Amino acid sequence: GENVEQHPSTLSVQEGDSAVIKCTYSDSASNYFPWYKQELGKRPQLIIDIRSNVGEKKDQRIAVTLNKTAKHFSLHITETQPEDSAVYFCAASLGSARQLTFGSGTQLTVLP
Amino acid sequence: DTEVTQTPKHLVMGMTNKKSLKCEQHMGHRAMYWYKQKAKKPPELMFVYSYEKLSINESVPSRFSPECPNSSLLNLHLHALQPEDSALYLCASSQDSGSWNEQFFGPGTRLTVL
Repeated sequence: GENVEQHPSTLSVQEGDSAVIKCTYSDSASNYFPWYKQELGKRPQLIIDIRSNVGEKKDQRIAVTLNKTAKHFSLHITETQPEDSAVYFCAASLGSARQLTFGSGTQLTVLP
Repeated sequence: DTEVTQTPKHLVMGMTNKKSLKCEQHMGHRAMYWYKQKAKKPPELMFVYSYEKLSINESVPSRFSPECPNSSLLNLHLHALQPEDSALYLCASSQDSGSWNEQFFGPGTRLTVL
């Protein structure tokens, strides 16, 4: 089955700096890569996703890049704010299988 | 309505109790999911229902019994649970068409087994 590795497990940045979280996946057939943000005590919420036919996607301060050859994808957050502090999970899906395999999560702390 | 709702928010039960968790969505989604999430861990898939039929069961113990009465509702019946089953139980739903399915999560039920 699919295996997703996520690094780092914790990340602290100063407000206004950028944050980068990286994930690798094992199954080259995976074709959908969402990123979820989960604040303490809250539900996971989709913040951005990318499909395998696209190399990069951006939404305001958030961007995701995908390298299919190397089987890795990354989340980039620019101009970080304290409200960006949360746990971020990457995931990979084989699409029609409707199964998401999650990475282990990154606790992001933005220091004011 | 673009939300997945879950009841109850919190549940405390003994090992001999029988209880049920409920999930509801009115987005017309045809796939619904149960996940278990332990503290500081990612969600772990338990069950997937597609068009009200169980399509994936990730080797979950029989003390967890899912039910999908209709396309909007998903239940998880609990019986003879163990303390290690204490966790946040998340329901999710997605459109069941095409290759890419954004999953919308409910707020979860925090379960404590004594």
